[in-house]
Amino acid sequence: GAVVSQHPSRVICKSGTSVKIECRSLDFQATTMFWYRQFPKQSLMLMATSNEGSKATYEQGVEKDKFLINHASLTLSTLTVTSAHPEDSSFYICSARVLAGGPSSYNEQFFGPGTRLTVL
Amino acid sequence: DAKTTQPTSMDCAEGRAANLPCNHSTISGNEYVYWYRQIHSQGPQYIIHGLKNNETNEMASLIITEDRKSSTLILPHATLRDTAVYYCIVISGTSYGKLTFGQGTILTVHP
Repeated sequence: GAVVSQHPSRVICKSGTSVKIECRSLDFQATTMFWYRQFPKQSLMLMATSNEGSKATYEQGVEKDKFLINHASLTLSTLTVTSAHPEDSSFYICSARVLAGGPSSYNEQFFGPGTRLTVL
Repeated sequence: DAKTTQPTSMDCAEGRAANLPCNHSTISGNEYVYWYRQIHSQGPQYIIHGLKNNETNEMASLIITEDRKSSTLILPHATLRDTAVYYCIVISGTSYGKLTFGQGTILTVHP
């Protein structure tokens, strides 16, 4: 199956710094990638939809100026957490979908392994 | 997209079939049933999806009732590695992939 990677897998940073997380589709092209956040013992929450060559679409309540998303190529999307604070500590997960197969497969997504961010 | 209801947790003995139910009584005609699972501290993994017919792949089987108001994910021979949170998601084919994850079912497979 399709493989999605994330880098780094784990990052610890000081409060006030910015952190960039990369999401790559390794063996397929992804025009659309998604970013999720997961707090301990909670479910995944969609943060934004990243579209190649255009601005990301953010979910309600997600600050676009704090979580900068760039999808510069068909295989790479980046999430930058700007001026990180301890409350931003979370598990960040990206996903990508393959559009081949028609509408019945539009929601078949391949997820990255996640990035655990700890802000001190 | 239709809301789903799943049991909070389930147990299963290794080697036995695990049957995970999902209720989606408000599902509409163009909505699919998707199942994903998440092993601890990993990203979710796609398992299977269906519209109205039963589906089977190398991982699992999906049984959808005739009225489509509920479904069951079947892991035919559960192993310890199947211990995970299983999410049932109902979504239309035109939702552009915006998955909404509920709390899911914590499946624990025992030796």
